[in-house]
Amino acid sequence: AQSVTQPDIHITVSEGASLELRCNYSYGATPYLFWYVQSPGQGLQLLLKYFSGDTLVQGIKGFEAEFKRSQSSFNLRKPSVHWSDAAEYFCAVEVTGFQKLVFGTGTRLLVSP
Amino acid sequence: KAGVTQTPRYLIKTRGQQVTLSCSPISGHRSVSWYQQTPGQGLQFLFEYFSETQRNKGNFPGRFSGRQFSNSRSEMNVSTLELGDSALYLCASSVDGQGVTEAFFGQGTRLTVV
Repeated sequence: AQSVTQPDIHITVSEGASLELRCNYSYGATPYLFWYVQSPGQGLQLLLKYFSGDTLVQGIKGFEAEFKRSQSSFNLRKPSVHWSDAAEYFCAVEVTGFQKLVFGTGTRLLVSP
Repeated sequence: KAGVTQTPRYLIKTRGQQVTLSCSPISGHRSVSWYQQTPGQGLQFLFEYFSETQRNKGNFPGRFSGRQFSNSRSEMNVSTLELGDSALYLCASSVDGQGVTEAFFGQGTRLTVV
């Protein structure tokens, strides 16, 4: 069955420091992968997506992610974190043909001054 | 262009009652999906509608149902509410939900069952 693992429940990063959030997936076919961000009490906003082609994808708000098929990973990165980046981040895989997303359990990012 | 609109934003219901949540997709989007988000289970897929037809359903009891209208607006209904149904219910719309899709989410409806 398809699954997504985000091993870090919480991560604290100092403002201005770099960030990497981990995501591993289990999926039999070519995965379509997504990163979403959720602020408290809000819906999900798409940060970036990987469908095919270049394995390094750029997203909004200065985020990027790298797809590594050999490691079944799709880690999210940002070179310099801002206090406004504090939120919960979800990695997801689309189950092709079933019109649904399978989400990881999320990583809550805290940004310290 | 307006985003996905969910109404109401907040709802308090009593155990045993039923509730209807509404979702208006982005104009031109024909696929609407529903997700339940709880602290314990995370984000879980409920069902997806396209052209008024349910194409896929998640692993939820029959108390959870939905429908889609000809204008692509969707409603979901939960009957005989249980305390465990307290959650944030998120609606997402996409152009057609086929193949490579990009889902846009609404802000959700926070349902509290007391």
